[in-house]
Amino acid sequence: QQPVQSPQAVILREGEDAVINCSSSKALYSVHWYRQKHGEAPVFLMILLKGGEQKGHEKISASFNEKKQQSSLYLTASQLSYSGTYFCGTSAGGTSYGKLTFGQGTILTVHP
Amino acid sequence: DVKVTQSSRYLVKRTGEKVFLECVQDMDHENMFWYRQDPGLGLRLIYFSYDVKMKEKGDIPEGYSVSREKKERFSLILESASTNQTSMYLCASSLSLGAEDEQYFGPGTRLTVT
Repeated sequence: QQPVQSPQAVILREGEDAVINCSSSKALYSVHWYRQKHGEAPVFLMILLKGGEQKGHEKISASFNEKKQQSSLYLTASQLSYSGTYFCGTSAGGTSYGKLTFGQGTILTVHP
Repeated sequence: DVKVTQSSRYLVKRTGEKVFLECVQDMDHENMFWYRQDPGLGLRLIYFSYDVKMKEKGDIPEGYSVSREKKERFSLILESASTNQTSMYLCASSLSLGAEDEQYFGPGTRLTVT
């Protein structure tokens, strides 16, 4: 079962803020966030682990609500370079060998 | 920097052909993955491998097989290509066996089956 991302698309002006949500029906061990620009490979943004550990880019912030199996990615003071499709990937941990199940993506467009 | 390369950016094949997609990573990563990406469906896992000669089915393995004879190389095989396998195929790798390490993606192969 793929996690569900919301919204499906968002349009911003430079300097505005956005929140992208990722919700799973399964208990989660970790949530990954990636950004993919048009025609390019997805690029890692952040990992959030059960228990509160996080790793990723300093300018990106995110939260992980373990009880609700939800994660949110916070994009503040958006720049033109933030445009792209954002994917969350979730893992149940255990013997999943790092296997991720990705959401359908959220398209973010930032205009000048 | 980790580099994941894929053998072709664009590939056009005919229905029924056997198709090989190659992926190579240069950082001694344990895990390697094959995804297909379709509009509105995100990235869907086809197969992954956590060691040489070891493989596990992902969410959509039907019609595909994989091979990992060397640690750095992971191949996706379409035994008999069909038009519904037209898609973007992405390879990825990650350092360890757990879910604590980020995945590094290759540039993708856009496969068209006619």
